[in-house]
Amino acid sequence: GAVVSQHPSWVICKSGTSVKIECRSLDFQATTMFWYRQFPKQSLMLMATSNEGSKATYEQGVEKDKFLINHASLTLSTLTVTSAHPEDSSFYICSARDSDRGPNQPQHFGDGTRLSIL
Amino acid sequence: GENVEQHPSTLSVQEGDSAVIKCTYSDSASNYFPWYKQELGKRPQLIIDIRSNVGEKKDQRIAVTLNKTAKHFSLHITETQPEDSAVYFCAASLGYSTLTFGKGTMLLVSP
Repeated sequence: GAVVSQHPSWVICKSGTSVKIECRSLDFQATTMFWYRQFPKQSLMLMATSNEGSKATYEQGVEKDKFLINHASLTLSTLTVTSAHPEDSSFYICSARDSDRGPNQPQHFGDGTRLSIL
Repeated sequence: GENVEQHPSTLSVQEGDSAVIKCTYSDSASNYFPWYKQELGKRPQLIIDIRSNVGEKKDQRIAVTLNKTAKHFSLHITETQPEDSAVYFCAASLGYSTLTFGKGTMLLVSP
């Protein structure tokens, strides 16, 4: 149980392209999902918290117009990197927590998306 | 907000030895402490977690201890194997809050 699916697993595209990444909880409902960015040999940096049916909460320094988040259902959140540039190249990982199990529950991670902007 | 410090950043051991990774947290209200293992290019996977109402939890070769007074918790791996080689992250949170991660420890187990 507690499987999170993330697609695509990697993307290579030209500068200026917008890229959409999907995060799905397959066997549980998640009112909240999390989007992280991870640089090589570094820890997970929280970018934003995605809330079902409402606006996402962005961490300080993360541009909300650059990284658009939509959480339209209890099992799907999307992250769109708009007009991507080489400095946006990174490993993006989503995670979700089972909403029905109460507080103090682990986050389950997707496989991540490796984004390379040429 | 919460701040989690993790040490060491790199740990090399011989196969069969024990490995210990330590974390400290700043917010005394935090009450949930998971540990994740991340292999290169893969997702972080939960390996063990502990809640603040217990001081120790064990799962086969892996154990976690929690000292609420000192605000630190540790991961213990016994009889290490080469497949234990990975980056390990500790984290802390309260209730429904976001997890705050440590910077990670790269564990290298040599055969």
